[in-house]
Amino acid sequence: AQTVTQSQPEMSVQEAETVTLSCTYDTSESDYYLFWYKQPPSRQMILVIRQEAYKQQNATENRFSVNFQKAAKSFSLKISDSQLGDAAMYFCAYRSADSGYALNFGKGTSLLVTP
Amino acid sequence: DGGITQSPKYLFRKEGQNVTLSCEQNLNHDAMYWYRQDPGQGLRLIYYSQIVNDFQKGDIAEGYSVSREKKESFPLTVTSAQKNPTAFYLCASSMGTGIFAEAFFGQGTRLTVV
Repeated sequence: AQTVTQSQPEMSVQEAETVTLSCTYDTSESDYYLFWYKQPPSRQMILVIRQEAYKQQNATENRFSVNFQKAAKSFSLKISDSQLGDAAMYFCAYRSADSGYALNFGKGTSLLVTP
Repeated sequence: DGGITQSPKYLFRKEGQNVTLSCEQNLNHDAMYWYRQDPGQGLRLIYYSQIVNDFQKGDIAEGYSVSREKKESFPLTVTSAQKNPTAFYLCASSMGTGIFAEAFFGQGTRLTVV
């Protein structure tokens, strides 16, 4: 199975500041998708952003953006102007044909937002 | 409203008993998935199904079984062979099997062995 690694078990950011969550993955595939999901205390999984491997341009969704480095197999998430509601577990996930199209998740990063 | 419904939200099981977790979706999605979540472990894939009457094992299928008799339903049975079943279980679905397809998740079932 492909591996997804999130090296930061916990991160902290002050309200209105910017934070970057790291994710690396291992694959021999050329076509795949990468995702960031958010899991707040309610435990409902929410899609934050996704990136197709073939696209050079980094995806952006409002305050959330990614830095996709295909050669380095790196997919970091940047949260700008952090808000208290951003506090959650964040999971990086990978999906391709060789994973049966199922999402393979990292172990997650717990983000704390302080006032 | 369209979505995925998991029931029950909390489930208690005695050791040695089988128990079935329900997952129903009305999104007309072809693919459905079961994940297990443990603290510090992320989400691990148990089983997945890309089409009715077909399913494949994920990374941690031992001690679990599934069926996919209807498109909208994908129940998971936790058998007595699963040695450590206490966990949070998440069901998900996606439109087709294309890698672009977003996965939608249910609200989960917390299973506790007593």
